[in-house]
Amino acid sequence: NAGVTQTPKFQVLKTGQSMTLQCAQDMNHEYMSWYRQDPGMGLRLIHYSVGAGITDQGEVPNGYNVSRSTTEDFPLRLLSAAPSQTSVYFCASGYRLDTEAFFGQGTRLTVV
Amino acid sequence: ELKVEQNPLFLSMQEGKNYTIYCNYSTTSDRLYWYRQDPGKSLESLFVLLSNGAVKQEGRLMASLDTKARLSTLHITAAVHDLSATYFCAVDMSSKGGSEKLVFGKGTKLTVNP
Repeated sequence: NAGVTQTPKFQVLKTGQSMTLQCAQDMNHEYMSWYRQDPGMGLRLIHYSVGAGITDQGEVPNGYNVSRSTTEDFPLRLLSAAPSQTSVYFCASGYRLDTEAFFGQGTRLTVV
Repeated sequence: ELKVEQNPLFLSMQEGKNYTIYCNYSTTSDRLYWYRQDPGKSLESLFVLLSNGAVKQEGRLMASLDTKARLSTLHITAAVHDLSATYFCAVDMSSKGGSEKLVFGKGTKLTVNP
């Protein structure tokens, strides 16, 4: 199993550009989430999903969209990139209550 | 709104010494996780604490959970250089299950010096 796979690993965007961060898991996990990590801030939840077709907002959803058309994939879309979205983005998945989330390797995004 | 506070945020220790990292949270939850992150890397699960009084140990690390006090601790015994990393506690606010809604502390950056 590859676990949770994020692509790309690094990305530089210009302000106003849009892009999609990809997240795929091969563990048949129902639950998936996106976090952003900023220096000194820990990780903050952007959006999450409890199954295909079901998504909800986390703590910092503005400027991001998600969809969950399959169990395996949970892409994160930046609609119009802003410098404030410069961050490291982590995708995570989980499979049942009382178990930990498993994290991907992260995508380091810089918006100039 | 749930707040999760870790302290200290920075910890410099000598090898062989003991220390405790604290994680306080502001609302009821009986599910808490500890993660480790090495620089530039992903998060690695260390401990899953699921009930009041839970205690887990792995090597030189021991974690505990007191849900009444809303406090978890990560105790380091006889620190070694390999423990240098950033440690996060995360409170699980998921309603459906599967850890889809974690609230993280800001992390404790641990440096173990020879």
